[in-house]
Amino acid sequence: EVQLVESGGGLVQPGRSLRLSCAASRFTFDDYAMHWVRQVPGKGLEWVSGISWNGGSVGYADSVKGRFTISRDNANNFLYLQMNSLRAEDTALYYCAKDRGRGNQGGFGGMDVWGQGTTVTVSS
Amino acid sequence: IQLTQSPSSLSASVGDRVTITCRASQYIRTYLAWYQQNPGKAPKLLIYTASTLQNGVPSRFSGSGSGTDFTLTISSLQPEDFATYYCQQLNSYPLTFGQGTKLEIK
Repeated sequence: EVQLVESGGGLVQPGRSLRLSCAASRFTFDDYAMHWVRQVPGKGLEWVSGISWNGGSVGYADSVKGRFTISRDNANNFLYLQMNSLRAEDTALYYCAKDRGRGNQGGFGGMDVWGQGTTVTVSS
Repeated sequence: IQLTQSPSSLSASVGDRVTITCRASQYIRTYLAWYQQNPGKAPKLLIYTASTLQNGVPSRFSGSGSGTDFTLTISSLQPEDFATYYCQQLNSYPLTFGQGTKLEIK
């Protein structure tokens, strides 16, 4: 079964950093774009960041641009999200999601596989 | 690109036909997806490219639209369909979701 498993969440003070990881298995990881999506409990979904199959194209929500960096390790089937200068409003459940497409020049096809999420809490 | 879903919440009965709309602030061709989310669960992809049903999704779900106006229709509500539904534009970064439509049992 295709699987995504997130890790790296936790409690962190405002202004500090955290790196999330997503381990992918049972699909050809380097064929697909990948994304991070977050959700505050009881609220809606917020797309955070995406990366094309080869890392050549990345995008960020305005709310995290300049603070978060997405990357991927296609050799080992990992997706990452480096989160710097964290704020209280970054507190959420963070999902890793696989795209149906490759993500070059657009080419997104919807997120067909999701992990169960990892919780990030930013608080002093 | 902003997406506006309506209604924000909807009460309906098993067997009802329901329609949720999603309006984009810019032209997005057919680069729109619909998701279903149940409490405590990750979202599930229902429809992509505005009208293509994802594998395994029941045929009572359908999507239509292009440009800026889109709809998700459930032809005959089943008990498992009571959930929250989101649209998402896939036309260009930053990708965005609608605010969600909570479908509740009447």
